[in-house]
Amino acid sequence: DADVTQTPRNRITKTGKRIMLECSQTKGHDRMYWYRQDPGLGLRLIYYSFDVKDINKGEISDGYSVSRQAQAKFSLSLESAIPNQTALYFCATSEQTDNEQFFGPGTRLTVL
Amino acid sequence: QKEVEQDPGPLSVPEGAIVSLNCTYSNSAFQYFMWYRQYSRKGPELLMYTYSSGNKEDGRFTAQVDKSSKYISLFIRDSQPSDSATYLCATYNAGNMLTFGGGTRLMVKP
Repeated sequence: DADVTQTPRNRITKTGKRIMLECSQTKGHDRMYWYRQDPGLGLRLIYYSFDVKDINKGEISDGYSVSRQAQAKFSLSLESAIPNQTALYFCATSEQTDNEQFFGPGTRLTVL
Repeated sequence: QKEVEQDPGPLSVPEGAIVSLNCTYSNSAFQYFMWYRQYSRKGPELLMYTYSSGNKEDGRFTAQVDKSSKYISLFIRDSQPSDSATYLCATYNAGNMLTFGGGTRLMVKP
């Protein structure tokens, strides 16, 4: 069974729609992250959370919001999707004192 | 200028070749260096993790860090078609987030 799961795996939506991407983990890690990946740009950090009550903006948080519903769940929302948010989105987790990050399988989002 | 630069490739080599993948970084405060491997339609997974300058070997893989020139390398000996993937370097300093390079796509042809 996968340790970090993401739903949906693929999503096509229209400009202006609200979208939520969900991430769940069974690794028991405190730290969770949301990244987007674009060709040639690598992974860029959107938001991260060190525990349920701690939410921090990353490099590219504009246009996104997050919710840490529990230690195991971290959701990413696009309030009003736009075409340049078309990308691969990855959730990751890590232990509090270990910076190796474990990634989910990704969500491919297309905004038309 | 990006903090971590990588040639995007693709890099195409025949099976059995020695592969050299490279990154440069600009922040001299970076202390920890990682290589992640990402297969198509999968999330990245940690391949190698080094601290400070020098070499670290793990099977066919060798990670090399030269802090004086801010240069990171990953060498793959006896490359196999199963090594075909995108390789992402990443670095950070204590208490801060990972900074990833853009990734190099490697294709190893049988």
